[in-house]
Amino acid sequence: SQQGEEDPQALSIQEGENATMNCSYKTSINNLQWYRQNSGRGLVHLILIRSNEREKHSGRLRVTLDTSKKSSSLLITASRAADTASYFCAPGSTSGTYKYIFGTGTRLKVLA
Amino acid sequence: EAQVTQNPRYLITVTGKKLTVTCSQNMNHEYMSWYRQDPGLGLRQIYYSMNVEVTDKGDVPEGYKVSRKEKRNFPLILESPSPNQTSLYFCASGVLGEDTEAFFGQGTRLTVV
Repeated sequence: SQQGEEDPQALSIQEGENATMNCSYKTSINNLQWYRQNSGRGLVHLILIRSNEREKHSGRLRVTLDTSKKSSSLLITASRAADTASYFCAPGSTSGTYKYIFGTGTRLKVLA
Repeated sequence: EAQVTQNPRYLITVTGKKLTVTCSQNMNHEYMSWYRQDPGLGLRQIYYSMNVEVTDKGDVPEGYKVSRKEKRNFPLILESPSPNQTSLYFCASGVLGEDTEAFFGQGTRLTVV
């Protein structure tokens, strides 16, 4: 399956702390994307990392990718209450089938 | 403004009454897709389309139909809705090819009674 599996399912931290969530997948990929979903809203793209990249930064976001372990992690540094959301990964398969497949996500709650 | 627009945002209907949820994008994207989101099950893909007149089943296509007669529109049709189709539905679009992101609509909350 092309689906990514996010872990943990839920995460609760204090404002200012770092939040780390992980994604595992099973197929070979061209890239892996992370999305955020605020409660009941559409997903919003956060960052894309290509299969030949190991780490990528965007503001307070840091994404790593380990293709040998078929896993990725998303780190949000100095979290804010506004970061409270669900986070999803979407592995981009090399199979040629072009479609975004999402898992159940990680629900992050940042306490003020 | 680049966007994916779904209508309606909220809908309550009765079992068996045909309905259509519309999705339109103004970004000239080839790729469009429908998802449903249920608690504990994440987003599951219903149907997707890679271009006009090209559609394919996702993971949960039963009970749904789609059409892609124009590039910008990708309606989701429920011919005979049932209560188990009560869900939050999202439409998404994107450029075909690698390293491109998906753009999502604001969602349609459907209740079938």
